Amino acid sequence: AQSVTQLGSHVSVSEGALVLLRCNYSSSVPPYLFWYVQYPNQGLQLLLKYTSAATLVKGINGFEAEFKKSETSFHLTKPSAHMSDAAEYFCAVSDLGANTGNQFYFGTGTSLTVIP
Amino acid sequence: DAGVTQSPTHLIKTRGQQVTLRCSPISGHKSVSWYQQVLGQGPQFIFQYYEKEERGRGNFPDRFSARQFPNYSSELNVNALLLGDSALYLCASSSDGTGFRTIYFGEGSWLTVV
Repeated sequence: AQSVTQLGSHVSVSEGALVLLRCNYSSSVPPYLFWYVQYPNQGLQLLLKYTSAATLVKGINGFEAEFKKSETSFHLTKPSAHMSDAAEYFCAVSDLGANTGNQFYFGTGTSLTVIP
Repeated sequence: DAGVTQSPTHLIKTRGQQVTLRCSPISGHKSVSWYQQVLGQGPQFIFQYYEKEERGRGNFPDRFSARQFPNYSSELNVNALLLGDSALYLCASSSDGTGFRTIYFGEGSWLTVV
């Protein structure tokens, strides 16, 4: 079965500092991994996705994530935090099993606070 | 192009009542999924429909049901509402319903049960 674990439910960084949000996955097959962002009172917006084409994935708003099979990790980073990055971030893995549709398994989320 | 649209955006129901939530997928998308997001948690999978057939069901009681229409829109029904059903209900669509496709979310329907 697929699952993801997000380490750190709350992360605070200063504006301009590095953002690092951690995600580890568990999957019985090579996974498809995703990061979504959720702003207050809104739905989830796709940041980026890993689909085995390249281990370093670039997404929107300057975010990127690196797939590391040896560490079963897919951490999200951004070199310089902006105030507008304050939001809830979710890591997810999709179920690629045969005849199981496209159920996504989400982590519990990491709330990012950016300090001016 | 319009994204995933959901209605209503907010609603308040009393325990024991029934609620119907509606979703229109992105144009051209044939798969719709429903997720429940309780405050402070990640979304939990409820249902997936593809070409009007149920493709997946999460660990939710039979009080939850859904259907998909010929135009690929979908409804989620919840009967005999409990206080614990209070949550953000998210609809997501994808092109072909397989795990290889990204799912795109709507803004959600906020349900409060009192």
